Amino acid sequence: AQTVTQSQPEMSVQEAETVTLSCTYDTSESDYYLFWYKQPPSRQMILVIRQEAYKQQNATENRFSVNFQKAAKSFSLKISDSQLGDAAMYFCAYRIITGTASKLTFGTGTRLQVTL
Amino acid sequence: DTAVSQTPKYLVTQMGNDKSIKCEQNLGHDTMYWYKQDSKKFLKIMFSYNNKELIINETVPNRFSPKSPDKAHLNLHINSLELGDSAVYFCASSQDRPPEQYFGPGTRLTVT
Repeated sequence: AQTVTQSQPEMSVQEAETVTLSCTYDTSESDYYLFWYKQPPSRQMILVIRQEAYKQQNATENRFSVNFQKAAKSFSLKISDSQLGDAAMYFCAYRIITGTASKLTFGTGTRLQVTL
Repeated sequence: DTAVSQTPKYLVTQMGNDKSIKCEQNLGHDTMYWYKQDSKKFLKIMFSYNNKELIINETVPNRFSPKSPDKAHLNLHINSLELGDSAVYFCASSQDRPPEQYFGPGTRLTVT
């Protein structure tokens, strides 16, 4: 069974600084997707970034980038120039590529605080 | 336009009652899901449907019964509600490619 581990229950960053959230996963599959979702206090789940396991290049979306290490099964999220609006729970998630309707397996989340 | 909508957003009810949560997506996706987020914020899949066909049923008590009248709707009916059913329930939808799942706003269910 696939598992996703986020070892940092809480993180804090000052506005305009950079923070990295960690995620490791366990799978026997060779092809899969990895995601980071953000859940602000409004509780809406918002997709931040996606990475395909077959792509070596790390995904980037504006101030958000990932460090994907396939051999180490590691998928960290870097937030640059942190803003107050980045404060939220961040969830790492995994999905296999094959098969329709495949589920997301989530980590336990990291609560990110952004301070002035 | 709201992509994935759920009603109601909040639901407070007593133990033993039966309740339903409705979900609709206007993204044209073939697959819909129900996830449960517990009090510790852990998210876990409950069900998934593809074109009205049940694909995943993840060891959920049979008091929970999903129904998909068409591929744009997936409802969740819960019988004989228990205190432990209190949680936030999220509906989501996706295609196979691209694989992103888009979530509804969630329904906070409180059982007293």
